[in-house]
Amino acid sequence: KAGVTQTPRYLIKTRGQQVTLSCSPISGHRSVSWYQQTPGQGLQFLFEYFSETQRNKGNFPGRFSGRQFSNSRSEMNVSTLELGDSALYLCASSWTSEDTQYFGPGTRLTVL
Amino acid sequence: QKEVEQDPGPLSVPEGAIVSLNCTYSNSAFQYFMWYRQYSRKGPELLMYTYSSGNKEDGRFTAQVDKSSKYISLFIRDSQPSDSATYLCASPGGPPNDYKLSFGAGTTVTVRA
Repeated sequence: KAGVTQTPRYLIKTRGQQVTLSCSPISGHRSVSWYQQTPGQGLQFLFEYFSETQRNKGNFPGRFSGRQFSNSRSEMNVSTLELGDSALYLCASSWTSEDTQYFGPGTRLTVL
Repeated sequence: QKEVEQDPGPLSVPEGAIVSLNCTYSNSAFQYFMWYRQYSRKGPELLMYTYSSGNKEDGRFTAQVDKSSKYISLFIRDSQPSDSATYLCASPGGPPNDYKLSFGAGTTVTVRA
């Protein structure tokens, strides 16, 4: 069974631009969560989607948003990029919110 | 204060040694605990999953939970160079936030051949 896939794997943007990252969960998984990983803050929860509904959101500014499609694929968007947004963005999927989360390889975003 | 605290190390051990990793947590609502392993430039992969206090073994890995002291541990026996990675402890925090994993900072382990 294929794992969680994320595209693109690497991205370089400049301050002020916006970016969209994509996540395809494991087949059958309906819950998709997004995390930001930085050397200083570690892994931090961004938000979670289940059946196209955002059910929880971490402590991030409104520039970070996301959505989930009917096939459970998810996208996250960051507008007005700042240097501090440089990070590894990880997507994780699970059958339901109570189940084990499986992570994708991440998208490494560099903001110049 | 983070809900899950973990010493980031780094930790360097010779091949064959026992690796001991520890985390503490502050939220009494935490019921489930996981250990993830993350290789460089990869996403975290689930290593161990525990619910109750006590020990759980899986091959060379043993996870230990002490809810009375809010302390979780991971032991790696007969460590191998392929165990060199960052190890992260995590907890989902319990309902209604089962999907919101709180992670420790991660401990970077190097096993020297």
